[in-house]
Amino acid sequence: GEDVEQSLFLSVREGDSSVINCTYTDSSSTYLYWYKQEPGAGLQLLTYIFSNMDMKQDQRLTVLLNKKDKHLSLRIADTQTGDSAIYFCAEKDQKVTFGIGTKLQVIP
Amino acid sequence: DAGVTQSPTHLIKTRGQQVTLRCSPKSGHDTVSWYQQALGQGPQFIFQYYEEEERQRGNFPDRFSGHQFPNYSSELNVNALLLGDSALYLCAGSQSSYNSPLHFGNGTRLTVT
Repeated sequence: GEDVEQSLFLSVREGDSSVINCTYTDSSSTYLYWYKQEPGAGLQLLTYIFSNMDMKQDQRLTVLLNKKDKHLSLRIADTQTGDSAIYFCAEKDQKVTFGIGTKLQVIP
Repeated sequence: DAGVTQSPTHLIKTRGQQVTLRCSPKSGHDTVSWYQQALGQGPQFIFQYYEEEERQRGNFPDRFSGHQFPNYSSELNVNALLLGDSALYLCAGSQSSYNSPLHFGNGTRLTVT
């Protein structure tokens, strides 16, 4: 079955880079996603990567995928206080399965 | 172009009651997925509707049912509410093509007392 694991908490200083990691178990995953959730809100799609890609960059966001190890990471460059939120990793096979979320705290 | 809209935003119900939540996906999206997000957890897949049919279902009891209308909007119904049904219910729209990501609304916060 599908399972997505993430660490629960990450704290970084403003201006530093943040790296949020995720592992998944479903080898037939086709797409992997990163979503952001701010308090009281729904999930905002940040970026996604097809499983045959190794890397995708979108402005301050860089996604790295190691398909052999089933490891996905999200790097946020020049982290700002507005980046404070919960970040969810998700994988898609027949349906989209989410991790528990990583709470990113940005210290001014 | 409106995004995904969900109503109501908040709801308080009593154990044993029934509830209906509503969702309208954004224009161009014909598929609706529903998720339950308990406090401190990730979203859990309930089911997905396409062409007014339930296409996939997660590990939720039959008390959870849904419907999709010809205009692609959708309803989630929960019968015989339990305290454990208290959660944020998220609706997401997407296109039927396989590479279409989910686009979420802000959810309905359901509290069961």
